[in-house]
Amino acid sequence: DIQLTQSPSFLSASVGDRVTLTCRASQGISSYLAWYQQKPGKAPKLLIYAASTLQSGVPSRFSGSGSGTEFTLTISSLQPEDFATYYCQQFNSYPLSFGGGTKVEIK
Amino acid sequence: QVQLVQSGAEVKKPGASVKVSCKASGYTFTGYYMHWVRQAPGQGLEWMGWINPNPNSGATNYAQKFQGRVSLTRDTSISTAYMELSRLTSDDTAVYYCARDHGGSQAIDFWGQGTLVTVSS
Repeated sequence: DIQLTQSPSFLSASVGDRVTLTCRASQGISSYLAWYQQKPGKAPKLLIYAASTLQSGVPSRFSGSGSGTEFTLTISSLQPEDFATYYCQQFNSYPLSFGGGTKVEIK
Repeated sequence: QVQLVQSGAEVKKPGASVKVSCKASGYTFTGYYMHWVRQAPGQGLEWMGWINPNPNSGATNYAQKFQGRVSLTRDTSISTAYMELSRLTSDDTAVYYCARDHGGSQAIDFWGQGTLVTVSS
């Protein structure tokens, strides 16, 4: 099974900061990676798929990159509504798996 | 607009089964795989499996962890998917989500609101 490790687990940042979240796969997954944002008590929301494709309606301050085993999600200028937990998910092989999440908190 | 509306919260005793429904609207139900994902309290997301709702298919793919305990079905006449989990334990206490495949199995693009299943004696 493919393990996804997200780092950091927690990130404290200020509005306007540029933040970068990392997701590492235990084996190569090509570009079969998606990123989600989840706020407390809500379902996850798709941000990025195929490692770097922005989902329709998602602000352009979100971007994704990477392939193989290392991936990043970047928020170019953190907004108040971006404080949430972010998860990566791989679609390369079964069972599909999620990373443990990165919680982005207000500094 | 795409909507996935799930059934309400459940409380079950250990050893029992639970069946959660997910009614889809706003798109062609039979054209997209449906995933099920769960989230234990304060924990991360865990993929359980998917079903192909196509009337000529109904194929499923389950995570090994849930093999033999989970059953994903659908009723195409009412655009509804179901997840049934048997032999419940306290470790199955979680919010269960149905979620539509984006197409091409590269992401999950729409999620239900979640159904809390509590297993307690």
